[in-house]
Amino acid sequence: ETGVTQSPTHLIKTRGQQVTLRCSSQSGHNTVSWYQQALGQGPQFIFQYYREEENGRGNFPPRFSGLQFPNYSSELNVNALELDDSALYLCASSPRDRGTEAFFGQGTRLTVV
Amino acid sequence: GEDVEQSLFLSVREGDSSVINCTYTDSSSTYLYWYKQEPGAGLQLLTYIFSNMDMKQDQRLTVLLNKKDKHLSLRIADTQTGDSAIYFCAESMNSGTYKYIFGTGTRLKVLA
Repeated sequence: ETGVTQSPTHLIKTRGQQVTLRCSSQSGHNTVSWYQQALGQGPQFIFQYYREEENGRGNFPPRFSGLQFPNYSSELNVNALELDDSALYLCASSPRDRGTEAFFGQGTRLTVV
Repeated sequence: GEDVEQSLFLSVREGDSSVINCTYTDSSSTYLYWYKQEPGAGLQLLTYIFSNMDMKQDQRLTVLLNKKDKHLSLRIADTQTGDSAIYFCAESMNSGTYKYIFGTGTRLKVLA
């Protein structure tokens, strides 16, 4: 157990809908990153939040957005869902001064139909 | 550019050593990692190595880094059936954003 919890564990949505995924970071970790892992692929960096602000973004369109709250928990929002958004979404938390120690949650499996 | 490559599959017999290889392209990588992913699960950090090291040993795991060739390997001694999983190599740069660049993963199958 890493102490990083994600909810829900599984989700089915229809194309065009919006979805919100949630992540509670490990105690003491103030940096949260989100990754998308398509089937058979390695995780791809979506973005990172530190002190409630976006601190780096990967090659994902603006319909992928996020929030970080004062307790360091985070949300990933995806608007106008497409079939290709079907993937495992992973949240990772780390202490800011030790970015080497990123611990991942179990992920949310999103299926878009 | 940022790219991390791994072979897709590796099959070994229980008790043998496994060696999983990875190549990366970004010479500014500061840390390199090995993660394990079991079916339906998230990523488990196995070990990491700083780019100015060439070897790190942690129990059954040995990481070798050849920075000149940008080659990283993970050796698992006395491989067990519980080691069957997908292993991901990842690199990160200390550029203000601690993002990880992952390879596509190597599926390790351990035969009893």
